[in-house]
Amino acid sequence: ETGVTQSPTHLIKTRGQQVTLRCSSQSGHNTVSWYQQALGQGPQFIFQYYREEENGRGNFPPRFSGLQFPNYSSELNVNALELDDSALYLCASSLVPLAERTDTQYFGPGTRLTVL
Amino acid sequence: TQLLEQSPQFLSIQEGENLTVYCNSSSVFSSLQWYRQEPGEGPVLLVTVVTGGEVKKLKRLTFQFGDARKDSSLHITAAQPGDTGLYLCAGLPLNQAGTALIFGKGTTLSVSS
Repeated sequence: ETGVTQSPTHLIKTRGQQVTLRCSSQSGHNTVSWYQQALGQGPQFIFQYYREEENGRGNFPPRFSGLQFPNYSSELNVNALELDDSALYLCASSLVPLAERTDTQYFGPGTRLTVL
Repeated sequence: TQLLEQSPQFLSIQEGENLTVYCNSSSVFSSLQWYRQEPGEGPVLLVTVVTGGEVKKLKRLTFQFGDARKDSSLHITAAQPGDTGLYLCAGLPLNQAGTALIFGKGTTLSVSS
């Protein structure tokens, strides 16, 4: 067990709705990254937060947004859901941003989002 | 554009066989990592390789980073059913600030007894 938890485990939404996914990082980890993993694909980087500020973003539209809180928890918000947003959403925590040096990321079990 | 190409995509073998999974790119990476992911769980880090030509061993698993830091391989000796899972390579592209790990699509390994 990595010490990273995510909620909920599964979620079903309809197209156009909004969703908030939550992640609790390992204690002491200042960096959280969010990934989208579609079926049969590797995880794709959405964005990274370091000390409560966005510290890098992948090729995802602005309707994907996030927040990081001082208590090592974070959120991923997705507005105007589309069918293609159906995926496993993973958060991963680390001590420092990965772009600074190679560090170990600890992944949570993910939230399976289905958009109908 | 998929920066990291993994092959094969699927592999089904018998217990005791050896196998090699490849991770290739035309880009240079500052480091490469290998993860294993089981159904319903997040990826778990197996190893990080940083130096070109580096070889690391983890019990029956041998990881190699190419000399030019563009490719890597994972070799499993005498595979066991417990090795079953999705194997992902992931790398930090060199000189690309503001990015995080780039993942390959993964290799799904099934080992039957």
